[in-house]
Amino acid sequence: GAVVSQHPSRVICKSGTSVKIECRSLDFQATTMFWYRQFPKQSLMLMATSNEGSKATYEQGVEKDKFLINHASLTLSTLTVTSAHPEDSSFYICSAREVITAYEQYFGPGTRLTVT
Amino acid sequence: AQKVTQAQTEISVVEKEDVTLDCVYETRDTTYYLFWYKQPPSGELVFLIRRNSFDEQNEISGRYSWNFQKSTSSFNFTITASQVVDSAVYFCALRDNAGGTSYGKLTFGQGTILTVHP
Repeated sequence: GAVVSQHPSRVICKSGTSVKIECRSLDFQATTMFWYRQFPKQSLMLMATSNEGSKATYEQGVEKDKFLINHASLTLSTLTVTSAHPEDSSFYICSAREVITAYEQYFGPGTRLTVT
Repeated sequence: AQKVTQAQTEISVVEKEDVTLDCVYETRDTTYYLFWYKQPPSGELVFLIRRNSFDEQNEISGRYSWNFQKSTSSFNFTITASQVVDSAVYFCALRDNAGGTSYGKLTFGQGTILTVHP
């Protein structure tokens, strides 16, 4: 149990276009989902916290108008990178916090975004 | 502010050697959780252990063991008799117990790249 999926696993898009990444909790409900970004050979940096039914909370330095987060249900959160630029190329990882136990957090497999 | 420091950027060992990965953390919370994750080349994070701040007992799981010392704010990870399959990036992470909309967020260390040579 406790599986988190991400779609797509890899995506290549052209500069200036937008791309949407989905994060789903497959067998549990998640009131909170987290979005992390990882540049090559670097650590995971939290971008934003997504709570179901409310606006996302963005970390300092993360442009909320560029990285749109929607958490419309207890099993789905989406991250849309708008007007993508090559510097947005990165590995994006989501995690989902389970409602019941409240402290277990499960990670998705990640999405590798390449902007050309 | 929370901080996790993994001072070892890269470690290289030969198979069957023991290796210890260091993790030092900073937090003002009295209740917190510490984690270790493994990230193989595929990129997916593999959960290894969670330890809460009130449990200082060392833990052993097969070839893995963890040493948690609150007095030095350290949570070190040892792999005994390392194997090539242990090659990966290992992250130590800290989760506070603060409330609010970001409750549960993890602060990661910089990661340690472990390479085990045959």
